[in-house]
Amino acid sequence: AQSVSQHNHHVILSEAASLELGCNYSYGGTVNLFWYVQYPGQHLQLLLKYFSGDPLVKGIKGFEAEFIKSKFSFNLRKPSVQWSDTAEYFCAVNARNSGAGSYQLTFGKGTKLSVIP
Amino acid sequence: GAGVSQSPSNKVTEKGKDVELRCDPISGHTALYWYRQSLGQGLEFLIYFQGNSAPDKSGLPSDRFSAERTGGSVSTLTIQRTQQEDSAVYLCASSPDRQETQYFGPGTRLLVL
Repeated sequence: AQSVSQHNHHVILSEAASLELGCNYSYGGTVNLFWYVQYPGQHLQLLLKYFSGDPLVKGIKGFEAEFIKSKFSFNLRKPSVQWSDTAEYFCAVNARNSGAGSYQLTFGKGTKLSVIP
Repeated sequence: GAGVSQSPSNKVTEKGKDVELRCDPISGHTALYWYRQSLGQGLEFLIYFQGNSAPDKSGLPSDRFSAERTGGSVSTLTIQRTQQEDSAVYLCASSPDRQETQYFGPGTRLLVL
């Protein structure tokens, strides 16, 4: 079964600082990769996704992520964070669950980002 | 044309009671998923529906948990004889197909006293 690791539980940054959140997964086959965001009091929203093609994907609000297949990584980046980026960020991998024959979305445990004005 | 909706938004129940949680997916989405989000545990997959059938129930934590989907649309997650460890936010998601992006509802926050 696949697993997803997010390296940081809580990150605190000042506004305008650069952000990189780590995400590694374990799965040997083809995967679809996602970053979801959950703003305080709101539900999970898609930030960006990678299915195929250019490994550098751009999402909403200036976020981007790079898929490095050799490292099984899909790190999230933003050059300059804003207070409004305060949220919890989840990395997720959609891969085939061979036992059940379905595609299962496996989430990391999330990284809380606090941006100080 | 809205997104995924879930009801109730909050549910408080007593240990041992049964609860039903409802999910209305985005119209036309054939795939529907249930997850549980517990404090410090991230999101835990529970069950997946393709149409009305559930090819993957591997995440259901015990036989107290069951789910059904009717008409290829609305789904109900039932927890029988609730326990305090069932307290969590239960999230529903839908997607056009199983490999596509999943869109999440606001969740039902369940508290078992």
